[in-house]
Amino acid sequence: DVKVTQSSRYLVKRTGEKVFLECVQDMDHENMFWYRQDPGLGLRLIYFSYDVKMKEKGDIPEGYSVSREKKERFSLILESASTNQTSMYLCASGIRGTGELFFGEGSRLTVL
Amino acid sequence: DAKTTQPNSMESNEEEPVHLPCNHSTISGTDYIHWYRQLPSQGPEYVIHGLTSNVNNRMASLAIAEDRKSSTLILHRATLRDAAVYYCILRDNNTNAGKSTFGDGTTLTVKP
Repeated sequence: DVKVTQSSRYLVKRTGEKVFLECVQDMDHENMFWYRQDPGLGLRLIYFSYDVKMKEKGDIPEGYSVSREKKERFSLILESASTNQTSMYLCASGIRGTGELFFGEGSRLTVL
Repeated sequence: DAKTTQPNSMESNEEEPVHLPCNHSTISGTDYIHWYRQLPSQGPEYVIHGLTSNVNNRMASLAIAEDRKSSTLILHRATLRDAAVYYCILRDNNTNAGKSTFGDGTTLTVKP
């Protein structure tokens, strides 16, 4: 089975800290995505990547950056965490084109 | 990007069929229609997808309108485990990444 693994299920950070959220997939997928999910707002796309070192902004990239140095790993970086970045973060991967997306279990980040 | 519109919530009785509608009036010729569902405290999981023809799999059926401006996910016999948020999204085959933007989804409640 395809597995998308997010490094932490729960994190608590302080305002101004640098935060790394890691995502690893084991199916050699070209495409990887980071979403955030907030009550009443559904899933919103932050960034996506279609190849190593390639990235594209999604709908809400402000305050975030990403890194994809290896095909299997896609990292989301909060350079200086703020309280409005408290959210559930979901990573997904998929083959190039329009195949199905596979999601991780999510990382719930609380910024105090 | 083409958007989708779904009702906020729907109710069904257990063991009855459920028809979940989705409107995508601005769909382009290269957009595939995907459905995902999200159970509480989990990441979304793939349900089904299609381009023009109706599709069936072990989980559900997808009925696509002739003009492709709407689609319907059909659960043939709802169970309590089908209670979830269902998302209809469009994935563009015309780009490398197949950027995927989720809407708010439909919360399905299944009554025993």
